[in-house]
Amino acid sequence: AQKVTQAQTEISVVEKEDVTLDCVYETRDTTYYLFWYKQPPSGELVFLIRRNSFDEQNEISGRYSWNFQKSTSSFNFTITASQVVDSAVYFCALSDGSGGYNKLIFGAGTRLAVHP
Amino acid sequence: NAGVTQTPKFRVLKTGQSMTLLCAQDMNHEYMYWYRQDPGMGLRLIHYSVGEGTTAKGEVPDGYNVSRLKKQNFLLGLESAAPSQTSVYFCASSTQGADTQYFGPGTRLTVL
Repeated sequence: AQKVTQAQTEISVVEKEDVTLDCVYETRDTTYYLFWYKQPPSGELVFLIRRNSFDEQNEISGRYSWNFQKSTSSFNFTITASQVVDSAVYFCALSDGSGGYNKLIFGAGTRLAVHP
Repeated sequence: NAGVTQTPKFRVLKTGQSMTLLCAQDMNHEYMYWYRQDPGMGLRLIHYSVGEGTTAKGEVPDGYNVSRLKKQNFLLGLESAAPSQTSVYFCASSTQGADTQYFGPGTRLTVL
């Protein structure tokens, strides 16, 4: 069965600290996709990244970076030099071919609070 | 280009009332989805559609119905609202199933 686990319910840091949000997934498929979304206090869901299972290269986008490790079924997200504007709930999600279509399975989310 | 829009943004219903949530997308996406978000549970798929005129059940379909009469619109109906349907509802769309899903701003529904 597919599953996404975000074990960290809440994280609190002080501005400029680095922070890593963990994501562990389960799937039987060899082809799958992993996503991160950000939900700021305003409530909308903002797409951050999509990664397919054949691409294990780490990705960096400004202060954001993602570490994909198939050996540990993890897709962790690091924010470098955090800022107050990074305060949000972050969701990791998995899409595979289970059930005949590529449904998106979300983790429960990690609430990040960045304090000045 | 508005992306994905949802109407209304907020709604309060009494138990037993009915209502329809409207989702519209202007990206010519084939796939559309309805999710609900409850505290501590992430988002759960209610129903989805892989094209105009098609609908299918997701993870938590009971108590909801959907219709996709036009490619750009996906309607979510509650025939007889229950307090357990108090939630935030999100619509999303994508070109295909494995592609990135883009979400609307959400509808906060309270059932008293």
